[in-house]
Amino acid sequence: AQSVAQPEDQVNVAEGNPLTVKCTYSVSGNPYLFWYVQYPNRGLQFLLKYITGDNLVKGSYGFEAEFNKSQTSFHLKKPSALVSDSALYFCAVRDSGTGGFKTIFGAGTRLFVKA
Amino acid sequence: DAGITQSPRYKITETGRQVTLMCHQTWSHSYMFWYRQDLGHGLRLIYYSAAADITDKGEVPDGYVVSRSKTENFPLTLESATRSQTSVYFCASTVTTGALNEQFFGPGTRLTVL
Repeated sequence: AQSVAQPEDQVNVAEGNPLTVKCTYSVSGNPYLFWYVQYPNRGLQFLLKYITGDNLVKGSYGFEAEFNKSQTSFHLKKPSALVSDSALYFCAVRDSGTGGFKTIFGAGTRLFVKA
Repeated sequence: DAGITQSPRYKITETGRQVTLMCHQTWSHSYMFWYRQDLGHGLRLIYYSAAADITDKGEVPDGYVVSRSKTENFPLTLESATRSQTSVYFCASTVTTGALNEQFFGPGTRLTVL
């Protein structure tokens, strides 16, 4: 069965510093991996995805994520955090082996960026 | 306006009442989804639909009913609401070109069952 874990409920970082939000996954086939962001009282917005190819994926708002197959991880990163990056971040995975559109979401990590 | 909309945005109801949450998308996406968001659980899939008149259960379908008579609409009905169904409900859709694509989410409906 596919699963995804976000080991940190909350990440605190100072504005201008690099940020990392961690995600690990488990699937039987090849993973399709996604990051979404949720601002207060809003739906989730897509940030980036890994399907195949380069392990470093670039997405919206200066975010990027690194796919590491050996560590089954897909950590979200940004070189310089902004206060406006403060939000709830979700990692999600689909299992290419089982097919279909079933997506499993992590529990979410709340990011606080202090000015 | 184009996009995916949900109504109502907020709903308070009582235990045992029937409640229907509406979802409408203007992109003609084939796939639509209903999720619930609860603290500590992230998003959990309730039901999804691959096309009009085709629906299937997700992780937590008990107590919910869906229908999809038109591509653009995907209503979710709680037949007899329970307190455990207090949650934020999100509708989402995705394009038809395979499982590689991201989902587009509505703004959510906050449901409180008293």
